[in-house]
Amino acid sequence: GGIITQTPKFLIGQEGQKLTLKCQQNFNHDTMYWYRQDSGKGLRLIYYSITENDLQKGDLSEGYDASREKKSSFSLTVTSAQKNEMAVFLCASSPHRENTGQLYFGEGSKLTVL
Amino acid sequence: QQKVQQSPESLSVPEGGMASLNCTSSDRNFQYFWWYRQHSGEGPKALMSIFSDGDKKEGRFTAHLNKASLHVSLHIRDSQPSDSALYFCAASGNNAGAKLTFGGGTRLTVRP
Repeated sequence: GGIITQTPKFLIGQEGQKLTLKCQQNFNHDTMYWYRQDSGKGLRLIYYSITENDLQKGDLSEGYDASREKKSSFSLTVTSAQKNEMAVFLCASSPHRENTGQLYFGEGSKLTVL
Repeated sequence: QQKVQQSPESLSVPEGGMASLNCTSSDRNFQYFWWYRQHSGEGPKALMSIFSDGDKKEGRFTAHLNKASLHVSLHIRDSQPSDSALYFCAASGNNAGAKLTFGGGTRLTVRP
């Protein structure tokens, strides 16, 4: 089996700060995703990438940048953190060519903005 | 309006009871449906998929899909305290695998 590793697990930043979250997967999956989850609620798609150097915007891309440096890694940058923002950012991967619809998630990175 | 809507928002059932969760989509492009489960402090994990009309049973879990009404449900029989979690319905279009859209979730509590 494989694993998705997200770093850092907890991130505390200041208002206006640029903050970066990193994600690594060893499944050898083609597609990777970043979702945002607010306080035990639903997941909203920020960015996804179907292959190295590909980027696709999700429904919540404004205020974020992403980078797929290589097949195994996908990073997300909050370009200007908003005060009182608190959310969990979830990275996921899926074997795109198999098109099963099954995503494998990491444990999440929790962001707090002071 | 959310494209995938779940009800109820929260549900409490006694141990050994039946839990029923509902999901409705407003987008007729959605053809593939998944149920995900998230325990506290963890990422969501895929529970089961359903792509065809009718029932699909996996152990204590049964999913039901009605494509005409875009309604999918999940029934958990003999509920266990370990089933207590946040359950998400997710849907995707004709290219299953890319861009899953998630509902808002149902929080299930199973009382010992």
